[in-house]
Amino acid sequence: DIQMTQSPSSLSASVGDRVTISCRASQYIATYLNWYQQRPGKVPRLLIYTASSLQSGVPSRFSGSGSGTDFTLTISSLQPEDFATYYCQQSYTTPTWTFGQGTKVEIK
Amino acid sequence: QVQLVQSGAEVKKPGASVKISCETSGYIFTSYAIHWVRQAPGQGLEWMGWFNGGNGNTKASQRFQDKVSITRDTSANTVYLELNSLSAEDTAVYYCARSERQSASYHDFWGQGTLVTVSS
Repeated sequence: DIQMTQSPSSLSASVGDRVTISCRASQYIATYLNWYQQRPGKVPRLLIYTASSLQSGVPSRFSGSGSGTDFTLTISSLQPEDFATYYCQQSYTTPTWTFGQGTKVEIK
Repeated sequence: QVQLVQSGAEVKKPGASVKISCETSGYIFTSYAIHWVRQAPGQGLEWMGWFNGGNGNTKASQRFQDKVSITRDTSANTVYLELNSLSAEDTAVYYCARSERQSASYHDFWGQGTLVTVSS
């Protein structure tokens, strides 16, 4: 199975900060990489699909990049509602998909 | 509009089984797949398996293949996840989520989650 490793596992940041989260796949996955946001007690929400495509309704401060094995989620200016846990997911090996372990973004 | 509505919370004893449902509506069922995702308390998301709405095939991850059975009610667009031989480690929220049936897809709609608690 393809393993997905996110870094860091958690980070503290202030409103207005630029935040970057990394995700590395254990093998080549082209751009078959998705990002989800999960606020506490809530259902996960799709942010980015196929590495860099912004899901409808998601603010433009979120962006994704990368291909092959290394990917990045960037929040250009952190807002109060962005404090949450973020997960990457590979969909290269359909139907066996895998999530990263998550990155928790906390208030500094 | 697309909706995935899951059955309610369950409390089960160790060794028992549980079957939870995901009722879908608002889209063409056969054009999509339904996945199951587990989230243990305070933990991350784990992909468990899927049901291919186009051909009825199912696939579970290696970690869960002896634990789960994924089925469909053919009279309704409802997918079921059955968990057997429950233990405390199965206490979690279980989500169903939709995707297209091919690679490069993603979960665009999710159910509200079903909490399964395993306790003696």
